[in-house]
Amino acid sequence: DAEITQSPRHKITETGRQVTLACHQTWNHNNMFWYRQDLGHGLRLIHYSYGVQDTNKGEVSDGYSVSRSNTEDLPLTLESAASSQTSVYFCASSPRLALGYEQYFGPGTRLTVT
Amino acid sequence: AQSVTQLDSQVPVFEEAPVELRCNYSSSVSVYLFWYVQYPNQGLQLLLKYLSGSTLVKGINGFEAEFNKSQTSFHLRKPSVHISDTAEYFCAVSDRQGGSEKLVFGKGTKLTVNP
Repeated sequence: DAEITQSPRHKITETGRQVTLACHQTWNHNNMFWYRQDLGHGLRLIHYSYGVQDTNKGEVSDGYSVSRSNTEDLPLTLESAASSQTSVYFCASSPRLALGYEQYFGPGTRLTVT
Repeated sequence: AQSVTQLDSQVPVFEEAPVELRCNYSSSVSVYLFWYVQYPNQGLQLLLKYLSGSTLVKGINGFEAEFNKSQTSFHLRKPSVHISDTAEYFCAVSDRQGGSEKLVFGKGTKLTVNP
């Protein structure tokens, strides 16, 4: 069955370190998204991509970057981790939203920055 | 840009009672609307969606939602809840302006079903 996976599921890192969170989907979806989930804020969009070599900033993109070299993967990099980036991160993918398709979510990565 | 307001951050109910989780969105232009559920320590999964047609949409696990264009609302209902419905529920609206294909999420409503 097609799926979307995230790794690692849990990560503890120190302030200032570079961290990369992986997202891999086997649905061959063009659209991929990264969100962070924090108490009281719901889901906030960090970055998104509509296809290979395409990346776009979301509402909370400062301190994060993504690259899309193939259809299946959209890794999220924290260039210099900060305590404010402690959160749960979700990756999602979808076919064309314009046609009414929903987003499919991964299981999440819990990141703690100490 | 679209926005979504979930009017209740927490809703406690007793088992077998009815429940309504409220959602309002900002724009009256043509939209797609979604409800997602997140069980503890899991990702989000789709409960139901409204694209067009009948304003009453039925989803999984006995949930349904009613699209009301004049009130820009998409409230989620279940006539009789179970303990297993305890979860966080998110309303989302499509943002299709300027070729964008994003979803805008509300802040979530935590439903707690008590015995």
